[in-house]
Amino acid sequence: ETGVTQTPRHLVMGMTNKKSLKCEQHLGHNAMYWYKQSAKKPLELMFVYSLEERVENNSVPSRFSPECPNSSHLFLHLHTLQPEDSALYLCASSQGGRSGANVLTFGAGSRLTVL
Amino acid sequence: GQNIDQPTEMTATEGAIVQINCTYQTSGFNGLFWYQQHAGEAPTFLSYNVLDGLEEKGRFSSFLSRSKGYSYLLLKELQMKDSASYLCAVMDSNYQLIWGAGTKLIIKP
Repeated sequence: ETGVTQTPRHLVMGMTNKKSLKCEQHLGHNAMYWYKQSAKKPLELMFVYSLEERVENNSVPSRFSPECPNSSHLFLHLHTLQPEDSALYLCASSQGGRSGANVLTFGAGSRLTVL
Repeated sequence: GQNIDQPTEMTATEGAIVQINCTYQTSGFNGLFWYQQHAGEAPTFLSYNVLDGLEEKGRFSSFLSRSKGYSYLLLKELQMKDSASYLCAVMDSNYQLIWGAGTKLIIKP
């Protein structure tokens, strides 16, 4: 496979469940990202892993926990979520580095519904 | 605060031309991006502007005026497959991407 692959594409979970989203990139990129996309709202950056260093948005609740075991794989662990966490979760990768032309390659997203 | 403004929705006719505007107020500027996102699919990169002027890429062109904090995406010879959301994003002085909420473009026959 090429590009950025996310699984599962759809997930329905209760507020007491624990689940994980998985992302894999086959582009040789050095940075990986988790974004939250809600209807009619800007993309919200949740976490960045760049050269194995984690950068996070301080407003992200602790019920979201990222894991990046290597430069090709990224996970988002979910526990005790709230209905307002229902959204499309997008993974992306890029070459990284402090460059203006840092183009992101996105996965198709995981559509999460919290009941 | 930092802000990106773009219209929520636009409608255009197949074969016509449409211009999607994006205005921004950010802490510094290191480039402006346009992405296309079809419903249920991944956003895909369309263009990157860092200098003033027009960048043309086939049927799509992107314009930037840094002094006005303004960009537009111009789509010519519209096709039904151009129906999608178009996302504007600016990279600020800390190399963080600031995103607009996206413009949903509807193409009618």
